Formats: sequence, structure tokens, C-alpha cells
Amino acid sequence: EVQLLESGGGLVQPGGSLRLSCAASGFTFVTYGMSWVRQAPGKGLQWVSAITGSGGNTYYADSVKGRFTISRDNSKNTLYLLMNSLRAEDTAVYYCAKAPIDDFWSGCDWGQGTLVTVSS
Amino acid sequence: QSALTQPPSASGSPGQSVTISCTGTSSDVGRYNYVSWYQQHPGKAPKLMLYEISKRPSGVPDRFSGSKSGNTASLTVSGLQLEDEADYYCSSFAGSGNLLFGGGTKLTVL
Repeated sequence: EVQLLESGGGLVQPGGSLRLSCAASGFTFVTYGMSWVRQAPGKGLQWVSAITGSGGNTYYADSVKGRFTISRDNSKNTLYLLMNSLRAEDTAVYYCAKAPIDDFWSGCDWGQGTLVTVSS
Repeated sequence: QSALTQPPSASGSPGQSVTISCTGTSSDVGRYNYVSWYQQHPGKAPKLMLYEISKRPSGVPDRFSGSKSGNTASLTVSGLQLEDEADYYCSSFAGSGNLLFGGGTKLTVL
């Protein structure tokens, strides 16, 4: 059974940093692309970032480019999102998602999400 | 880039069919077949219902189907059931390593 467990969310001041983790189990982690998708309170889904299985290619939404860094440690079956220069508009539940084997740009398994609140 | 356009709401009675549209541009929905649909119940994580326009992941009932015409993709739910009441989101690859989501449609089963 695929399991994705996010952690690392919390309250942070504007301009601060936070690192999210997503611990994966139940599948061969290195084989699959992974993404981060966020959802502001009461709002819709917003794609944040994606990374290929090897970690060799990364992609970012314009709204986070230059501030967020996605990475993965395939030896630890863990996905990360390092978030710097956080803004109030980054407040959201952050989900990690695993792509199907045949569609990098989709998410077939999702974690339960971790809440990031950016406020002074 | 702007989000994809979905109607804010849709509704139908049990047993009926309902179609939700997702309109993009010739740079995203119209150009690529990487269109996905997600179902989200309140307080829950999204669930993938369709990917690559019309492919169903294992476990998704065949009551859910997808199509695309030009810059608009569509999700059709046939034989509506009470448990289908949820928010539905479309997404599309938009080139240059970018993915767009629609604003979401709240489906009400009357």
C-alpha cells in the first residue's frame, strides 16, 4: 500500500524558512516522479513543484521560483520542499503526490497534507 | 499563466449524468493530452479520477469518463451517486515545466 506522510509544517514569520518532508513507503520510490501541491484555506489546488525519479530534473511554479527548492533522497525514500522568503500568500496545506508511472504531470497517490501558516 | 476555467458549481439528481467543463488555451489543454481530474471531499486529500484526458486509475468506477475538444476538457459523471458530491478539479500540463489547475467545481447531488 502506498503511503505518503508529510511533516514539517507550522507557523513561521514572513521572510522565514521552513523545510517540508514527505516520507514515502509501499512503492519503489526512485521510479516515480513526485510533486508538491498546495491549497490555501478555502481555496483551490495550486501546483507548486515537481521532480523526476532520479532527481535530475525539477520544475517550479512561477510564484515560488527562486524561493522554493524541491529535492529528494532516494536512499531515505523522502521528498523535500525547502521554502525560503516565505510570504503570507504561501499559507496553505501542502500535499505531496506521487505520479503514475505513465504520466509525470498527474498525482495518483496523495499524502494527508501539512499546514504552513505564514504570519507575524 | 492563468488558472484553467471551471464552472463554480454543478448539480444533478441521483442516477442522472452531469458534465463539468475545464477550459484552457491552445498552450495548455489544447496542446497537450496531460489533462487530469481530481475529486476532493471536505477535509480530505484530492483523489485522482482521470489522467491523460480519459484514463481511469485502478479502482475508479467507469461512471467517470473524460474527453477533450479543442481547448476544453470535460469530466462526465454518469449514474450520479450521493458519494459523488465533492469538489472536482482539472489540471493540465502547460509546457515549459508548468502545471495548471482549474478553480474547482462543487458538485451537488440533489
